[in-house]
This record gives sequence, structure tokens and C-alpha cells, in this order.
Amino acid sequence: EDQVTQSPEALRLQEGESSSLNCSYTVSGLRGLFWYRQDPGKGPEFLFTLYSAGEEKEKERLKATLTKKESFLHITAPKPEDSATYLCAVQDRWKTSYDKVIFGPGTSLSVIP
Amino acid sequence: DADVTQTPRNRITKTGKRIMLECSQTKGHDRMYWYRQDPGLGLRLIYYSFDVKDINKGEISDGYSVSRQAQAKFSLSLESAIPNQTALYFCATGTGAGQPQHFGDGTRLSIL
Repeated sequence: EDQVTQSPEALRLQEGESSSLNCSYTVSGLRGLFWYRQDPGKGPEFLFTLYSAGEEKEKERLKATLTKKESFLHITAPKPEDSATYLCAVQDRWKTSYDKVIFGPGTSLSVIP
Repeated sequence: DADVTQTPRNRITKTGKRIMLECSQTKGHDRMYWYRQDPGLGLRLIYYSFDVKDINKGEISDGYSVSRQAQAKFSLSLESAIPNQTALYFCATGTGAGQPQHFGDGTRLSIL
């Protein structure tokens, strides 16, 4: 069964303290892995799509990487405005008849000034 | 202006009431989705639609119905609301497999 887990559930960082969020997934075949950012009272905002192991994407202080079983979202020198919940989601290559996307529960990141 | 607009943003109602949540989009996407979000459970798909004439159940459709009035409009109804339908509801649009979905800012629904 397709599954996505994320760790840690919550993370508190000092401003400037780099760290990584983990997304572990189980699918028959990966169609795509998505990272979203969600602020309180807002909908998920798309960050990255990764398609194959070894792929990396960067945006400002964020860098997403992908292996065959997990993805990492690396946050370099975070700022308080990076505080949010980060969601990981996967799409199974063999279940694309309805674009089924499995979402993880998210990691709540707090960056303290 | 938001690309995906949901109304209302907040709603409090009583058990047994019929409720409609509305979603409209200006992204020009054919595919639209309704999700609910509960703490610790992630987003779960309720219904999805690939075009006006194509509507399908997602993983948790019991107690819900939908209507696709136009390419840009997709509404979700709770025929007889119950307290365990209290949740955040999100509408999303998409262009196809392997592409990201784009979300509205949600409706916070409380059923007393």
C-alpha cells in the first residue's frame, strides 16, 4: 500500500541553524514526489517536484533531494519567515488514472530569532 | 487575486444541516479536487473531476457529494452534516499525472 511518513513531526531551530526534514515513501513506482509549504490558515503552496533518484531542486534556502526510498528537504541558514508546516506527497506511477496523490502528515518547523 | 478561491473561509453549523462549500479557479486547469485535512492524518481526497462531465469518488466520499458547474467551478456538499466532518476542506486544481496540484486557502468547517 502506498504510504508517506515524515519526520520529525515538529522541529524548532535557531535562526541560522541548518537542518533537514525527512520524507519516507512506499510506492510501487514513483511518478513524482512533491514538497509543499503550508502556513497557518492557508492552503499548501507548491515548492518542488522530484521525479527520479539523484535529482535535486533548490529555491532560496531550501534544497530538496530524492533517493529511491526517501526525500530530504534541507534548510540552510533558516530565517523566522521559513516557519511553516512542510508537506511531502507522492504519486504512484501505476495509479495515474486519477492522479492519486498520497500526502504525509507534515513537519511543523519553527525558526526562532 | 487568488488563483483558487474557496468560500466561505469559515463556517459553523449544526448537526443535520446541509452545507455547500464552493470553489472557483482562474488557472484554466481541467482537473479539480476536494480534500479534507485533519491533524496528524494529512490531506485525504474526497472527490475529483477531470472535466464537467467526469466526476469520481476519492478515498473518503461517504457523506459528501459534488457538482462541477463549469470548468472553473466545483462545489462540495455535505447532505446532512455530522460532527466528525469537522475539518479543514481544500479545493485544488491540476493539469495531470506527475504535475503538482494547486490549492485554495481552505474552509474551516465546524459542526456542532
